[in-house]
Amino acid sequence: AQSVAQPEDQVNVAEGNPLTVKCTYSVSGNPYLFWYVQYPNRGLQFLLKYITGDNLVKGSYGFEAEFNKSQTSFHLKKPSALVSDSALYFCAVRVPYGNNRLAFGKGNQVVVIP
Amino acid sequence: DTEVTQTPKHLVMGMTNKKSLKCEQHMGHRAMYWYKQKAKKPPELMFVYSYEKLSINESVPSRFSPECPNSSLLNLHLHALQPEDSALYLCASSQEGRARNTGELFFGEGSRLTVL
Repeated sequence: AQSVAQPEDQVNVAEGNPLTVKCTYSVSGNPYLFWYVQYPNRGLQFLLKYITGDNLVKGSYGFEAEFNKSQTSFHLKKPSALVSDSALYFCAVRVPYGNNRLAFGKGNQVVVIP
Repeated sequence: DTEVTQTPKHLVMGMTNKKSLKCEQHMGHRAMYWYKQKAKKPPELMFVYSYEKLSINESVPSRFSPECPNSSLLNLHLHALQPEDSALYLCASSQEGRARNTGELFFGEGSRLTVL
């Protein structure tokens, strides 16, 4: 079965500092990996995905993520955090040729301090 | 702006009521999903429709009844709900409905349901 771990409950970062949200996965075979963001009282918004190819993936709003197969990780990063980045972030994994199930991590609350 | 539209945005219902949640997408996506989300928790998959056929039912109680009238519409019929069913109900769609689905999910803004 596929699973995703987001080890931290909350990430606090000062505005302008680098932001990292951690994600590790467990899946048989090659995974499809996704990051979503959820602002208060809103649906989930897609940020970026890794399917194959270059391990560094660039996404929306200046976010990027690096796929590391040996460490089974897919950490989300942003070089300079904005107050508006404060939100709930979910990592998710899907197994290729699977059953369309997307396994979500528990989520990380990111708080950017002005 | 999301291209998946959900109505109503808010719904309050009693335990004996019958109501429906509606979802619509016009992106030509062939898979549509219902998720339930409690506050600060990840979405929990309820149902998946692939090419207008129910492909996944995550052992959801029968008081929740999904319907996919056509490739653009998805409904969730609610009957005799319990207070613990109060949550944000999210609809989503993805381009491919079959096995090799590399596509991301597009989520609606959700319908916030309160059961009294």
